[in-house]
Amino acid sequence: AQSVTQLDSQVPVFEEAPVELRCNYSSSVSVYLFWYVQYPNQGLQLLLKYLSGSTLVKGINGFEAEFNKSQTSFHLRKPSVHISDTAEYFCAVSPRSGGYQKVTFGTGTKLQVIP
Amino acid sequence: GAVVSQHPSRVICKSGTSVKIECRSLDFQATTMFWYRQFPKQSLMLMATSNEGSKATYEQGVEKDKFLINHASLTLSTLTVTSAHPEDSSFYICSALPGTGGWGNTEAFFGQGTRLTVV
Repeated sequence: AQSVTQLDSQVPVFEEAPVELRCNYSSSVSVYLFWYVQYPNQGLQLLLKYLSGSTLVKGINGFEAEFNKSQTSFHLRKPSVHISDTAEYFCAVSPRSGGYQKVTFGTGTKLQVIP
Repeated sequence: GAVVSQHPSRVICKSGTSVKIECRSLDFQATTMFWYRQFPKQSLMLMATSNEGSKATYEQGVEKDKFLINHASLTLSTLTVTSAHPEDSSFYICSALPGTGGWGNTEAFFGQGTRLTVV
C-alpha cells in the first residue's frame, strides 16, 4: 500500500516569484511518481512524471520536480509563476509492478498566484 | 497527445432518477479505465476499475448496484448512477489507460470530469 502527503493545502505566492509545492510519499514497494494540475471544473492534466533515471524531472509549463529517495519526497517547483498557474496540484504515486493499476493521489495543494 | 472525452460535463437530475456518464478514449484503445469521485476540497478517490469485456472491480465501500459500470468497447466506458440522491452529488472523473494489455503502462489520461448535482 502507498500513501501520499501534500503538506500544504493552500500556497499563496506573488506573480513572478518562485514556488515549491511539497509532496512526501510512503510505500512498501517501488513507485512511479506524478504531478497533475487541475483547473476549476476540469479533469487532471499531467505535469510531469518520474519513472527512472535522472532524479530531476522537467515537465510542462516550466515546472520541474526532484525525486529524493532517501527523504521519500517529490517536490514540485517553478522558478517564476504566472497568474495562469493558479490551480490545484496533485501529487500521485503508483506501484511499479502492475503498472498504473493502483494510483494513489494526495489531497492536493491549491496554488494561488497573486498579481 | 491522447485525448479522453467525458460527457456530459455538467448534469442536474432529480432525486430518484438515474444518470449515465460516458468516458471515451478518442485516439487510442483502452482495455482499462478508472472512475474517480472527488468531493469538494478533497482528492480523487478511486471508485472502480473498468475492464473491457469483463466486470468492473469496485473499491471497498462503493456500491456496485448503485454505480453501474459498463465497458463495452475498447474506447468507451459508462458509469450509471442509479436512483441518485443528493449525497451522490459530486465531481466524477474517468481516466483511460492506453494499450490493450493494461499492464506495464505508466500513465493514464483523464477526462474533463462531470459535475453531478442531484436535487
